[in-house]
Amino acid sequence: EAQVTQNPRYLITVTGKKLTVTCSQNMNHEYMSWYRQDPGLGLRQIYYSMNVEVTDKGDVPEGYKVSRKEKRNFPLILESPSPNQTSLYFCASSFTGSLTPLHFGNGTRLTVT
Amino acid sequence: QQPVQSPQAVILREGEDAVINCSSSKALYSVHWYRQKHGEAPVFLMILLKGGEQKGHDKISASFNEKKQQSSLYLTASQLSYSGTYFCGTRNNTNAGKSTFGDGTTLTVKP
Repeated sequence: EAQVTQNPRYLITVTGKKLTVTCSQNMNHEYMSWYRQDPGLGLRQIYYSMNVEVTDKGDVPEGYKVSRKEKRNFPLILESPSPNQTSLYFCASSFTGSLTPLHFGNGTRLTVT
Repeated sequence: QQPVQSPQAVILREGEDAVINCSSSKALYSVHWYRQKHGEAPVFLMILLKGGEQKGHDKISASFNEKKQQSSLYLTASQLSYSGTYFCGTRNNTNAGKSTFGDGTTLTVKP
């Protein structure tokens, strides 16, 4: 089944404790992207990757890191999480091009205390 | 700049129609529409490219007016399954990596 898989679905952590949210897709998509979703603010792009070893900042990249060593994986790293990073995170992938639809993972709800 | 959606919320009875609007202060090359049910991931509905283009998906259709820099989503004879939050999104024409979404419109269909 074609899908984008995120793990974990739920994560509660404390301020400053490094964490990684994994994202994997099995559709051979070149493009992958991370978003955070907060009430009333819609989906805001954190980072994206056009292909392996090519990443770039979205609109809200502060406090996040990403890497794209393999085509299928695009982990989101929070080196020192803070409470304002408490949010619902979505990973998405697509083929390259502005006219291709995004396929979203099921989301990771992160709480930082 | 984020697209602006209106209204923020709509409550309907089954069988009624609704229109959701999405407008941008920047020139739009294409508009994507997604629906997100509570606790789930957004799901793709349709992409509109050309000015004035209209598309349909079941009883959900959309139009795109590039001159007015806006798109509208039309939900006809709404069903309970249409409930959810609808997002419009754009992907930059010159940099397809950048994408922005509106704040969303929450649609509630009641029996």
